[in-house]
Amino acid sequence: KAGVTQTPRYLIKTRGQQVTLSCSPISGHRSVSWYQQTPGQGLQFLFEYFSETQRNKGNFPGRFSGRQFSNSRSEMNVSTLELGDSALYLCASSIKPGDTDTQYFGPGTRLTVL
Amino acid sequence: AQSVSQHNHHVILSEAASLELGCNYSYGGTVNLFWYVQYPGQHLQLLLKYFSGDPLVKGIKGFEAEFIKSKFSFNLRKPSVQWSDTAEYFCAVNSAGGYQKVTFGTGTKLQVIP
Repeated sequence: KAGVTQTPRYLIKTRGQQVTLSCSPISGHRSVSWYQQTPGQGLQFLFEYFSETQRNKGNFPGRFSGRQFSNSRSEMNVSTLELGDSALYLCASSIKPGDTDTQYFGPGTRLTVL
Repeated sequence: AQSVSQHNHHVILSEAASLELGCNYSYGGTVNLFWYVQYPGQHLQLLLKYFSGDPLVKGIKGFEAEFIKSKFSFNLRKPSVQWSDTAEYFCAVNSAGGYQKVTFGTGTKLQVIP
């Protein structure tokens, strides 16, 4: 069974640009969560989608947005990039929200903002 | 809102030494507690979890954690570490019941010296 896939794996952008990251969950998983991982802050929750609806949202500015499609694939978008947005963005999927028994993380997208 | 504190950011141990990583959480209600591990270059994965029952939880690879409700703590322990335990360890919490997002700590990097 294929795992959680994230594309692209690496991305370099400049300040002010926008970026879209993609996450394809494990087949049958309908919940997708996004996290930002940085050395100083650890994993910070961005948002969670289930059945195309955002169920939870973390404390990030409105420049961070996301959506989920009918096939459960999810995208997150960051507009007007700042240097501080450089991080590893992790996606996790599970059958339903908060279901850690079925939750798997993807390899992440490493975003570097110059 | 719930929060998690991991006070040790970087721990260096020699092989066969005993390990204890601290984790304290802040939340007034009933919680589920987790430890995740991220080996170098690998995906984040669940190490062990506590939902209810015996407060001493055993996980994979000889790890265990003890939930002490009065101290709001869920420390991770291993009697004798191996070089292969070198990784970053994250404590996490979510509120029990329903579809609740998981809040992660900032992580502890463990380096085991052969």
